[in-house]
Amino acid sequence: EVQLVESGGGLVQPGGSLRLSCAASGFTVSSKYMSWVRQAPGKGLEWVSVIYSGGSTYYADSVKGRFTISRDNSKNTLYLQMNSLRAEDTAVYYCARVGYNWNDGIYFFDYWGQGTLVTVSS
Amino acid sequence: DIQLTQSPSFLSASVGDRVTITCRASQGISNSLAWYQQNPGKAPKLLIYVASTLQSGVPSRFSGSGSGTEFTLTIGSLQPEDFATYYCQQLNTYPWTFGQGTKVEIK
Repeated sequence: EVQLVESGGGLVQPGGSLRLSCAASGFTVSSKYMSWVRQAPGKGLEWVSVIYSGGSTYYADSVKGRFTISRDNSKNTLYLQMNSLRAEDTAVYYCARVGYNWNDGIYFFDYWGQGTLVTVSS
Repeated sequence: DIQLTQSPSFLSASVGDRVTITCRASQGISNSLAWYQQNPGKAPKLLIYVASTLQSGVPSRFSGSGSGTEFTLTIGSLQPEDFATYYCQQLNTYPWTFGQGTKVEIK
């Protein structure tokens, strides 16, 4: 059974740093694209970042240069290092597995974690 | 960036109603569109991918259609557990983007 469990959220001051973790089970993180999505309180979903199985990474402009996505294959865990945090980064952060439809070459998010709350406030 | 606009943003309906939600893309995205359902305090759940393919385990009352710039999610007969917020997402071009959501509430 595929499971994703996020951790590492909490309260941090503006300008501070935090590292989120997403422990995966039921599949190998390094064999799939993995992504982070966030949701500010009462708001919609915002895509944050993706890491390819080959290691390439992409980011939303709102976090580029401040956030870094990575993984530890030995721990089967995805990470999001968040630096220079701002009030507008306050959100629930979800990790998601990216599925792939081979017939059409199209992606989708097939499994999601339960989320971890990050609050940036002084 | 590709903008996705869902309509309506809010929908009031009764159990048994047929419900349709539209998602319009600011430029063509072929069929690189997924639909998700989110209940309060929960993670989103995949319903439909590649615009019209039903995810395994999702009830057949859910269906998706469309291609290019206009897409629809239809719930054939609304059930009590379907009252939730629905999001479309495009995965054709970075940055991947979501629609603003459609909240389906009980009339």
